[in-house]
Amino acid sequence: DTAVSQTPKYLVTQMGNDKSIKCEQNLGHDTMYWYKQDSKKFLKIMFSYNNKELIINETVPNRFSPKSPDKAHLNLHINSLELGDSAVYFCASRDGSPLDTQYFGPGTRLTVL
Amino acid sequence: QKEVEQNSGPLSVPEGAIASLNCTYSDRVSQSFFWYRQYSGKSPELIMSIYSNGDKEDGRFTAQLNKASQYVSLLIRDSQPSDSATYLCAVGAGGTSYGKLTFGQGTILTVHP
Repeated sequence: DTAVSQTPKYLVTQMGNDKSIKCEQNLGHDTMYWYKQDSKKFLKIMFSYNNKELIINETVPNRFSPKSPDKAHLNLHINSLELGDSAVYFCASRDGSPLDTQYFGPGTRLTVL
Repeated sequence: QKEVEQNSGPLSVPEGAIASLNCTYSDRVSQSFFWYRQYSGKSPELIMSIYSNGDKEDGRFTAQLNKASQYVSLLIRDSQPSDSATYLCAVGAGGTSYGKLTFGQGTILTVHP
């Protein structure tokens, strides 16, 4: 069974469009994250939710809006897509133990044309 | 100054050699330290975690932590071509940071036969 899943795996779209990425985890974790990995492989946290509550909100354009309908799901909606939004977006969840281990989903490769 | 900095790569070692990956961090209150491996086109996969000073061994992998020097390293013994990947150092603040991880820029390792 897939622990952290994301849809879609690939997303190609035009500048100015609005798109969403979905994430689901079946690990029973309370905390979920969105990361962005740029073309140089630099992985940077964007948001985190703990049991549906936003707890981390890094300096991200407000065109990006996360939503957590329940603790197993964390979605990312992006308005007015720009070329610079092209990246791989990873969802992750955390087991809440002192070990702080985070488990990553397979990623969504977003290409903005 | 970057918050988490890894030794610049790419790093190339022959099969059977020891690969040494290094990471320094700037936040003295950091409490958890991780090494993730990322194959091309895949998601980061946790291979080692370490929380206290000293060495931690797991199979061919040894993580070393020196909090006074703000330094963490990963040694891979008997390197195999299958170890060829990007290695990401991640540092967690702990406490009430809700597991926020800060990643280094990654080191590309190539193990050649």
